[in-house]
Amino acid sequence: GENVEQHPSTLSVQEGDSAVIKCTYSDSASNYFPWYKQELGKGSQLIIDIRSNVGEKKDQRIAVTLNKTAKHFSLHITETQPEDSAVYFCAALGFQKLVFGTGTRLLVSP
Amino acid sequence: DAGVIQSPRHEVTEMGQEVTLRCKPISGHNSLFWYRQTMMRGLELLIYFNNNVPIDDSGMPEDRFSAKMPNASFSTLKIQPSEPRDSAVYFCASTVQGGQPQHFGDGTRLSIL
Repeated sequence: GENVEQHPSTLSVQEGDSAVIKCTYSDSASNYFPWYKQELGKGSQLIIDIRSNVGEKKDQRIAVTLNKTAKHFSLHITETQPEDSAVYFCAALGFQKLVFGTGTRLLVSP
Repeated sequence: DAGVIQSPRHEVTEMGQEVTLRCKPISGHNSLFWYRQTMMRGLELLIYFNNNVPIDDSGMPEDRFSAKMPNASFSTLKIQPSEPRDSAVYFCASTVQGGQPQHFGDGTRLSIL
């Protein structure tokens, strides 16, 4: 089955810096890769997703890149703000199921 | 629009007691997922339903766990008897079958003493 690894587990940046979170997956048949943001005491909210027919997608300060050959995808947050502080999860769609990474705790310091 | 609604938000109970977690998916969504989140294992899929039918329950840890979906707007996850190692945050998510993304509820934080 699908296996997703996510790095780093924690990431601390200064406000205004960029943050990059990386994930790798194992199943070459996976074709959908969402990123979720989880704030304290809340459920995960989708922030961006990408399908396998696209190499990059951008939404304001957030972008995701996908390298299908290498089976890895990354989340890029530019001009980070304190409200970006949260736990971020990547996922890959295996056979009808999303398989999640273990999460990255992002802390943006003012 | 109302999102996925879970209840209770918090549950604290003694080991051995029966625990029932509830979920109301987004109207029109016909796939429902139950996840468990812990520090050690992250977010694990326990079971999911399509059109109220359980499709894959391979993630259910033990026979003490059971899930039902009696209709399109309601699902329960039951633990009987509960144990301290069941303490976790349990999330419910829903989507249109075969579609993405999944929409998550705010979770139930379960503590078994």
